[in-house]
Formats: sequence, C-alpha cells, structure tokens
Amino acid sequence: DTEVTQTPKHLVMGMTNKKSLKCEQHMGHRAMYWYKQKAKKPPELMFVYSYEKLSINESVPSRFSPECPNSSLLNLHLHALQPEDSALYLCASSRTPSPPRWEGNQPQHFGDGTRLSIL
Amino acid sequence: AQSVTQLDSQVPVFEEAPVELRCNYSSSVSVYLFWYVQYPNQGLQLLLKYLSGSTLVKGINGFEAEFNKSQTSFHLRKPSVHISDTAEYFCAVRVNSGGYQKVTFGIGTKLQVIP
Repeated sequence: DTEVTQTPKHLVMGMTNKKSLKCEQHMGHRAMYWYKQKAKKPPELMFVYSYEKLSINESVPSRFSPECPNSSLLNLHLHALQPEDSALYLCASSRTPSPPRWEGNQPQHFGDGTRLSIL
Repeated sequence: AQSVTQLDSQVPVFEEAPVELRCNYSSSVSVYLFWYVQYPNQGLQLLLKYLSGSTLVKGINGFEAEFNKSQTSFHLRKPSVHISDTAEYFCAVRVNSGGYQKVTFGIGTKLQVIP
C-alpha cells in the first residue's frame, strides 16, 4: 500500500474534455510533485509545490494546470489535451529539505499513478 | 546540474543468479543517491538510499548498493534474484533546493529474471 493516493487509476478522455487528477497524502509532507512518465522512460518532473506554493514549472504547456488547495492535496487540471499527453502521471511528496527543520534526508514517496489516455 | 547514467537498458539474468545494475552520476554539489523499483502499472517504490556515512547501503528485498565517490558510481547488487524481481529499476540523484527536492532519474534498467 502506498501512502500517496492518486485517483483515478485510469482515465480516458477526449481532446475537448476537462478532467482533473487528484493526489492526497497525510504524512505531513509540505513538498508535492507531479511527474509525467511515458512508456519505457523515466519520470519527468512537471511541477513542484512547496508549502502550497508553486516552486517549479518545468515549461509545462498551459493545458496542464496544477493546484494545491491545502497541504494534503494536489490536483492537476487537464483541458484540451493532445494524444501525445497520454502517459502515466505520478504524484510524489516529501518533507521539505530546508531549515529550520532540516529534513533533507527523507526520500520522495510516490503514488501508483494515473494512467491517462487521450483519444 | 546533476545527471545520471544507467549503462544497461536491459539485463536478463537467470533465477538465483547474482545481478549488478550499473549507475554513474555527475554533480557539482553534494548529492543524495537512490534506487527505485517500478513494477508494471505501479508507481515508484524506494529500494535504498545513500545519504552519508557507510558506503555500502542495504535496502529492501535483499538489494544493496555501494557508493564509490572516486568512480562516481552507485551500482545496485543482489546475490540471488527471484522471478518477482522482474521490474524496471531507476537510479536517481537528488539535490535539495530551498523548500523542495530536485530529483534526476536515469533512463531505467529493465531486469528480466529468467526461470
């Protein structure tokens, strides 16, 4: 069982649809991440939230819109996606590696992902 | 910037044989090193990590890895593999930046255990 929960596990949507991916953790982690993983490739970082604020956007197209409504939840809103956006979307969380509570030794915890297919 | 090189994209090995999955890294700052395993249709599970201290680290499922600073390597080993070890293995290097972690993954090595 993973401590990071992602829903839904599978999602099929058309290019004109609007949908959202959800990620939840209750480990008290204040850094949360979205990754995109294509088949037979490593995960690629998309977004990083630290203390509920967007810290990194790795030049992700605006059809992906992240949201962090509170310290336990991370959403990824999808609109007008393209077939090449079909992939496994992974969420991760970690303790924040900065003073005053230096917790830089803690690894990221990953969810099982949402497999997204764009028709 | 940091980078990770996994030298083998696929490693076939017979059941109960030993295996080594190779990983080399480069970074201009101190890094933390990790191995993750990904089973089909699942997320990434942490196998082991090197943060500091002893260069030989032991992880779950009988895996271990040795950090070699002079060779900038962090190879993963298991003395006797099982069918259930068939999976994708990712080496990763992490630097801490402000309030978050920046992780760079290698391309992955597919371990195929042959009965």
